[in-house]
Amino acid sequence: ETGVTQTPRHLVMGMTNKKSLKCEQHLGHNAMYWYKQSAKKPLELMFVYNFKEQTENNSVPSRFSPECPNSSHLFLHLHTLQPEDSALYLCASSQVQAGGVRTDTQYFGPGTRLTVL
Amino acid sequence: GENVEQHPSTLSVQEGDSAVIKCTYSDSASNYFPWYKQELGKGPQLIIDIRSNVGEKKDQRIAVTLNKTAKHFSLHITETQPEDSAVYFCAASKENYGQNFVFGPGTRLSVLP
Repeated sequence: ETGVTQTPRHLVMGMTNKKSLKCEQHLGHNAMYWYKQSAKKPLELMFVYNFKEQTENNSVPSRFSPECPNSSHLFLHLHTLQPEDSALYLCASSQVQAGGVRTDTQYFGPGTRLTVL
Repeated sequence: GENVEQHPSTLSVQEGDSAVIKCTYSDSASNYFPWYKQELGKGPQLIIDIRSNVGEKKDQRIAVTLNKTAKHFSLHITETQPEDSAVYFCAASKENYGQNFVFGPGTRLSVLP
């Protein structure tokens, strides 16, 4: 176990549904990330949160809405998704040094396999 | 922005042989290079990493080498075992607040018994 958990592990939803993915890290880290993994782009960064503040949004459509209520929890709210959004959604966490002067590695959860019908 | 290429995309080796996966990066300012292993149904797991002030790092059967001038780094696995079969990803990053890892497309390694 990496100390990063994700629920649910599998999710099937229709295009009109609203669902949320949850990530929790037990490593005491202060940065969390959402990635999308698909056959077209194996590991694509979506969002970055440092100290609960969103610092990166890599041109992700607004139908994906992240939420980071505290440094241990991260959510990805989904609504009106498209079939091409079907993918494995991975959460990761890391420890960012003060002032961002050092990069520490990211630890990944097992992912949520999302299927949009 | 940074671009990371990875070769080969698939690699098959006999058990006990060595495997080498190579990555190249485009941004000379990148200075942190982790390698991840992803098994079926699991998230990527860090196996080794290297920073730009070091040319080589070894951990048991796994080693990584970095050539900053040529902007490439390689993963070496010796005495391969069937449990080494997985998809391997390299990544490059700059030490900044953005924490933006750029990953290579992955290499599927198969170790044949």
